[in-house]
Amino acid sequence: ETGVTQTPRHLVMGMTNKKSLKCEQHLGHNAMYWYKQSAKKPLELMFVYSLEERVENNSVPSRFSPECPNSSHLFLHLHTLQPEDSALYLCASSQGLAGDTGELFFGEGSRLTVL
Amino acid sequence: AQTVTQSQPEMSVQEAETVTLSCTYDTSESDYYLFWYKQPPSRQMILVIRQEAYKQQNATENRFSVNFQKAAKSFSLKISDSQLGDAAMYFCAYRRGDKIIFGKGTRLHILP
Repeated sequence: ETGVTQTPRHLVMGMTNKKSLKCEQHLGHNAMYWYKQSAKKPLELMFVYSLEERVENNSVPSRFSPECPNSSHLFLHLHTLQPEDSALYLCASSQGLAGDTGELFFGEGSRLTVL
Repeated sequence: AQTVTQSQPEMSVQEAETVTLSCTYDTSESDYYLFWYKQPPSRQMILVIRQEAYKQQNATENRFSVNFQKAAKSFSLKISDSQLGDAAMYFCAYRRGDKIIFGKGTRLHILP
Protein backbone atom coordinates (compact mmCIF):
# COMPACT_ATOMS: atom_id res chain seq x y z
CA GLU A 1 0.00 0.00 0.00
CA THR A 2 1.25 3.46 -0.83
CA GLY A 3 1.66 5.96 2.01
CA VAL A 4 -1.45 8.11 1.58
CA THR A 5 -4.31 6.93 -0.59
CA GLN A 6 -7.23 9.07 -1.72
CA THR A 7 -10.48 7.92 -3.33
CA PRO A 8 -12.06 8.67 -5.64
CA ARG A 9 -9.43 10.19 -7.90
CA HIS A 10 -12.08 11.99 -9.91
CA LEU A 11 -15.57 13.07 -8.90
CA VAL A 12 -18.24 14.96 -10.81
CA MET A 13 -21.27 16.05 -8.87
CA GLY A 14 -24.25 18.31 -9.15
CA MET A 15 -24.88 21.13 -6.76
CA THR A 16 -27.55 19.16 -4.91
CA ASN A 17 -25.62 15.91 -4.55
CA LYS A 18 -24.02 14.52 -1.42
CA LYS A 19 -20.69 12.76 -1.80
CA SER A 20 -17.62 11.98 0.29
CA LEU A 21 -13.88 11.97 -0.29
CA LYS A 22 -11.84 9.37 1.53
CA CYS A 23 -8.24 9.42 2.65
CA GLU A 24 -6.27 6.61 4.23
CA GLN A 25 -2.70 6.72 5.48
CA HIS A 26 -0.50 3.69 6.12
CA LEU A 27 2.40 5.55 7.71
CA GLY A 28 1.39 5.40 11.36
CA HIS A 29 1.06 9.17 11.52
CA ASN A 30 -1.09 10.95 14.08
CA ALA A 31 -2.05 14.11 12.17
CA MET A 32 -4.08 14.44 8.98
CA TYR A 33 -5.01 17.38 6.80
CA TRP A 34 -7.30 18.48 3.99
CA TYR A 35 -5.96 21.05 1.54
CA LYS A 36 -7.73 22.64 -1.41
CA GLN A 37 -5.67 23.28 -4.53
CA SER A 38 -7.11 25.71 -7.05
CA ALA A 39 -5.36 27.03 -10.14
CA LYS A 40 -3.21 30.10 -9.56
CA LYS A 41 -3.87 30.12 -5.82
CA PRO A 42 -1.79 28.97 -2.87
CA LEU A 43 -2.75 25.68 -1.32
CA GLU A 44 -5.50 26.40 1.16
CA LEU A 45 -5.46 24.54 4.45
CA MET A 46 -9.02 23.47 5.23
CA PHE A 47 -8.93 21.14 8.21
CA VAL A 48 -6.37 19.63 10.54
CA TYR A 49 -6.83 16.64 12.81
CA SER A 50 -4.39 15.62 15.49
CA LEU A 51 -4.99 12.38 17.39
CA GLU A 52 -8.45 12.29 15.81
CA GLU A 53 -9.39 15.69 17.25
CA ARG A 54 -10.02 18.62 14.94
CA VAL A 55 -7.51 21.34 15.75
CA GLU A 56 -7.98 23.65 12.79
CA ASN A 57 -10.90 24.83 10.76
CA ASN A 58 -9.91 27.70 8.51
CA SER A 59 -13.29 29.35 8.01
CA VAL A 60 -14.38 26.62 5.64
CA PRO A 61 -18.06 26.74 4.56
CA SER A 62 -20.31 24.27 6.34
CA ARG A 63 -21.04 22.50 3.06
CA PHE A 64 -17.68 20.82 3.71
CA SER A 65 -17.81 18.49 6.70
CA PRO A 66 -14.73 16.54 7.82
CA GLU A 67 -14.71 13.30 9.76
CA CYS A 68 -11.77 11.49 11.33
CA PRO A 69 -12.96 8.15 12.77
CA ASN A 70 -9.42 7.01 13.61
CA SER A 71 -5.83 8.09 13.04
CA SER A 72 -5.61 6.29 9.70
CA HIS A 73 -8.75 7.59 8.01
CA LEU A 74 -10.03 11.01 7.08
CA PHE A 75 -13.20 11.88 5.18
CA LEU A 76 -14.50 15.04 3.62
CA HIS A 77 -18.28 15.00 3.25
CA LEU A 78 -19.63 17.27 0.54
CA HIS A 79 -23.15 18.61 0.16
CA THR A 80 -24.80 21.46 -1.70
CA LEU A 81 -21.53 22.51 -3.29
CA GLN A 82 -20.99 25.46 -5.59
CA PRO A 83 -19.16 25.48 -8.94
CA GLU A 84 -16.32 27.49 -7.33
CA ASP A 85 -15.67 24.48 -5.09
CA SER A 86 -14.29 22.64 -8.12
CA ALA A 87 -10.65 21.96 -7.31
CA LEU A 88 -8.11 19.31 -6.43
CA TYR A 89 -8.53 18.22 -2.82
CA LEU A 90 -5.35 16.95 -1.24
CA CYS A 91 -5.07 14.86 1.88
CA ALA A 92 -1.83 14.81 3.84
CA SER A 93 -0.51 13.22 7.00
CA SER A 94 2.39 13.82 9.33
CA GLN A 95 3.89 12.64 12.58
CA GLY A 96 3.04 15.50 14.91
CA LEU A 97 1.32 18.69 13.81
CA ALA A 98 3.12 20.12 10.78
CA GLY A 99 5.43 17.12 11.11
CA ASP A 100 8.28 16.67 13.55
CA THR A 101 10.56 17.93 10.80
CA GLY A 102 7.89 19.84 8.91
CA GLU A 103 7.35 17.12 6.33
CA LEU A 104 3.87 16.38 5.13
CA PHE A 105 3.06 13.26 3.16
CA PHE A 106 0.45 13.83 0.48
CA GLY A 107 -1.98 11.69 -1.43
CA GLU A 108 -2.48 12.09 -5.15
CA GLY A 109 -5.62 14.12 -4.66
CA SER A 110 -9.28 13.93 -5.62
CA ARG A 111 -10.22 16.09 -8.60
CA LEU A 112 -13.70 17.47 -7.89
CA THR A 113 -15.90 19.07 -10.53
CA VAL A 114 -19.16 20.67 -9.46
CA LEU A 115 -21.67 21.22 -12.26
CA ALA B 1 -1.10 37.80 7.14
CA GLN B 2 1.61 35.28 6.61
CA THR B 3 2.54 35.03 2.94
CA VAL B 4 4.77 33.02 0.71
CA THR B 5 5.32 34.54 -2.71
CA GLN B 6 6.46 32.76 -5.82
CA SER B 7 6.70 35.36 -8.54
CA GLN B 8 7.28 32.96 -11.45
CA PRO B 9 4.07 31.11 -12.44
CA GLU B 10 5.95 29.14 -15.11
CA MET B 11 9.52 28.52 -16.14
CA SER B 12 11.29 26.47 -18.76
CA VAL B 13 14.79 25.07 -18.82
CA GLN B 14 16.76 23.04 -21.30
CA GLU B 15 17.58 19.52 -20.22
CA ALA B 16 20.96 19.34 -18.44
CA GLU B 17 20.93 23.06 -17.72
CA THR B 18 20.50 24.81 -14.37
CA VAL B 19 17.38 26.66 -13.28
CA THR B 20 16.57 28.74 -10.22
CA LEU B 21 13.07 29.12 -8.80
CA SER B 22 12.38 32.14 -6.62
CA CYS B 23 10.52 32.43 -3.35
CA THR B 24 10.11 35.21 -0.82
CA TYR B 25 8.25 35.06 2.45
CA ASP B 26 7.07 37.35 5.15
CA THR B 27 7.69 36.67 8.83
CA SER B 28 8.57 38.40 12.06
CA GLU B 29 9.88 35.21 13.65
CA SER B 30 13.53 34.30 13.94
CA ASP B 31 13.28 30.53 14.02
CA TYR B 32 11.28 28.70 11.40
CA TYR B 33 11.51 26.16 8.61
CA LEU B 34 11.33 26.59 4.86
CA PHE B 35 10.59 23.92 2.31
CA TRP B 36 10.38 23.19 -1.37
CA TYR B 37 7.80 20.62 -2.39
CA LYS B 38 7.48 19.05 -5.84
CA GLN B 39 4.20 17.99 -7.41
CA PRO B 40 4.77 15.92 -10.57
CA PRO B 41 1.99 15.42 -13.11
CA SER B 42 0.82 12.35 -11.15
CA ARG B 43 -0.01 14.95 -8.45
CA GLN B 44 1.48 13.34 -5.34
CA MET B 45 3.42 16.12 -3.72
CA ILE B 46 6.77 15.24 -2.14
CA LEU B 47 9.30 17.13 -0.09
CA VAL B 48 12.39 18.11 -2.06
CA ILE B 49 14.45 20.05 0.43
CA ARG B 50 14.21 21.63 3.87
CA GLN B 51 16.02 24.58 5.45
CA GLU B 52 16.10 25.50 9.12
CA ALA B 53 16.32 29.25 9.58
CA TYR B 54 18.90 29.09 12.36
CA LYS B 55 21.32 27.25 10.08
CA GLN B 56 23.43 29.55 7.95
CA GLN B 57 24.56 26.79 5.63
CA ASN B 58 22.38 26.33 2.59
CA ALA B 59 20.69 22.94 2.35
CA THR B 60 21.65 20.59 -0.48
CA GLU B 61 20.06 17.37 -1.70
CA ASN B 62 21.90 15.92 -4.69
CA ARG B 63 21.06 18.18 -7.66
CA PHE B 64 18.83 20.41 -5.57
CA SER B 65 20.17 23.25 -3.46
CA VAL B 66 18.79 26.40 -1.93
CA ASN B 67 20.00 29.94 -1.59
CA PHE B 68 18.69 31.09 1.77
CA GLN B 69 18.98 34.81 2.40
CA LYS B 70 17.46 35.32 5.84
CA ALA B 71 17.71 39.10 5.97
CA ALA B 72 16.12 39.41 2.57
CA LYS B 73 13.55 36.70 3.40
CA SER B 74 14.43 34.94 0.20
CA PHE B 75 14.58 31.20 -0.37
CA SER B 76 15.34 30.13 -3.94
CA LEU B 77 15.70 26.61 -5.28
CA LYS B 78 18.43 25.73 -7.73
CA ILE B 79 18.13 22.59 -9.83
CA SER B 80 21.35 21.56 -11.52
CA ASP B 81 21.63 19.23 -14.51
CA SER B 82 17.88 19.39 -15.10
CA GLN B 83 16.23 16.12 -16.06
CA LEU B 84 12.91 15.36 -17.74
CA GLY B 85 11.67 13.93 -14.46
CA ASP B 86 12.08 17.34 -12.83
CA ALA B 87 9.07 18.65 -14.74
CA ALA B 88 6.50 19.48 -12.07
CA MET B 89 4.87 22.17 -9.99
CA TYR B 90 7.20 23.40 -7.29
CA PHE B 91 5.79 24.89 -4.11
CA CYS B 92 7.71 26.95 -1.63
CA ALA B 93 6.42 26.59 1.93
CA TYR B 94 6.98 28.08 5.34
CA ARG B 95 6.34 26.43 8.68
CA ARG B 96 4.85 28.67 11.33
CA GLY B 97 4.14 26.77 14.52
CA ASP B 98 1.78 23.97 13.63
CA LYS B 99 0.92 25.33 10.20
CA ILE B 100 2.62 25.03 6.88
CA ILE B 101 1.88 27.90 4.49
CA PHE B 102 2.33 27.30 0.77
CA GLY B 103 2.94 29.64 -2.15
CA LYS B 104 1.05 29.52 -5.46
CA GLY B 105 3.64 27.34 -7.11
CA THR B 106 5.89 27.52 -10.15
CA ARG B 107 5.32 25.16 -13.04
CA LEU B 108 8.65 23.97 -14.40
CA HIS B 109 8.94 22.67 -17.96
CA ILE B 110 11.99 20.73 -19.08
CA LEU B 111 12.82 21.11 -22.76
CA PRO B 112 14.49 18.07 -24.34
